[in-house]
Amino acid sequence: NAGVTQTPKFQVLKTGQSMTLQCAQDMNHEYMSWYRQDPGMGLRLIHYSVGAGITDQGEVPNGYNVSRSTTEDFPLRLLSAAPSQTSVYFCASGGGGVQYFGPGTRLTVT
Amino acid sequence: RKEVEQDPGPFNVPEGATVAFNCTYSNSASQSFFWYRQDCRKEPKLLMSVYSSGNEDGRFTAQLNRASQYISLLIRDSKLSDSATYLCVGFNDMRFGAGTRLTVKP
Repeated sequence: NAGVTQTPKFQVLKTGQSMTLQCAQDMNHEYMSWYRQDPGMGLRLIHYSVGAGITDQGEVPNGYNVSRSTTEDFPLRLLSAAPSQTSVYFCASGGGGVQYFGPGTRLTVT
Repeated sequence: RKEVEQDPGPFNVPEGATVAFNCTYSNSASQSFFWYRQDCRKEPKLLMSVYSSGNEDGRFTAQLNRASQYISLLIRDSKLSDSATYLCVGFNDMRFGAGTRLTVKP
């Protein structure tokens, strides 16, 4: 099992560009989520999904879109990147309350 | 409002010390919580689950205090390798606390 995988590991964007962060899991978990973590700060929930076709907003959803067409994949789309979106993005999947995190994507927006 | 709140610390302790963190929660109906450990620039990883009966794993003990609505994590005989940020989260609310930073010094 690969667990939760995220691509890319690093990304630099210019203000206004869009991109999609990829997340995949092979544990057949229904629940998946996206968090961002700014330097020295805690995790903040962006969006989550309780199953294919179902998504919902977390604490800080503005500027991000998600979709869940399959159980395995939960991509996060930045619509128009802003410097405030510079952060580390973690994807997680879980069952029974426990979450398994991917290694993260470090995004810098200049 | 998040379900859980944490003291961000930092906690600086000498090797071998016993240290405890608390995490308060707001939903009195909550019955289970989790402690995660996050090393610098790494992803969080599950450390322990906390149910009404508490949990112990080696040097680590987690307990749930329903009367005062907090969960605790006790680390005995601290090791240098215990230095990390410890996060709590409730079963019903996937929003993590800010995390408590622990540094164990020689």
